[in-house]
Amino acid sequence: NAGVTQTPKFRVLKTGQSMTLLCAQDMNHEYMYWYRQDPGMGLRLIHYSVGEGTTAKGEVPDGYNVSRLKKQNFLLGLESAAPSQTSVYFCASSRSGRATFGSYEQYFGPGTRLTVT
Amino acid sequence: SQQGEEDPQALSIQEGENATMNCSYKTSINNLQWYRQNSGRGLVHLILIRSNEREKHSGRLRVTLDTSKKSSSLLITASRAADTASYFCATCMIYNQGGKLIFGQGTELSVKP
Repeated sequence: NAGVTQTPKFRVLKTGQSMTLLCAQDMNHEYMYWYRQDPGMGLRLIHYSVGEGTTAKGEVPDGYNVSRLKKQNFLLGLESAAPSQTSVYFCASSRSGRATFGSYEQYFGPGTRLTVT
Repeated sequence: SQQGEEDPQALSIQEGENATMNCSYKTSINNLQWYRQNSGRGLVHLILIRSNEREKHSGRLRVTLDTSKKSSSLLITASRAADTASYFCATCMIYNQGGKLIFGQGTELSVKP
């Protein structure tokens, strides 16, 4: 099993450009998450999904959109990139449980390093 | 302090020594999780300890949870150079059918050979 994979691994964008980050998991997990990691800020939740066709906002959703058309894929879109979106983006997945978060451990992808100039 | 705050921020030890990292939090939790992140990689889950548990072991890892003090510790015994990584605690709060999982800022552990 590949676990959680993310593409691309690195990307440089100019301000105003758009892009889509792809996350795929092969563990048949119901829940999927997108985080961003910035120095001194820890991980912050951008959006999450509790199942195919559903998405919800996390802690820092502004400037991002997501879609979960297939259970195994979770896409994160930047419509008009800004320098403040320079970060490392992580996708994660987990089994479903009593709560949306934390009932079970999360499995993380290797990350996408995005620079917006 | 914020929920899930690790201490120390950085720790440097020699191979073979034990490493202890602490996590403090502010509100009641359902469980607390520890993750490891090697440089340039994603987070890897280490241990999940529930609020009704006091101690858990996994190989060279020992996690304790003191809900009265709202704190947890991660002990790595007989450390190895390969243990060099950042370690994060994540506190889980469950309410109704939702919840939150909040990650701390991490402890950077350096194990020198």
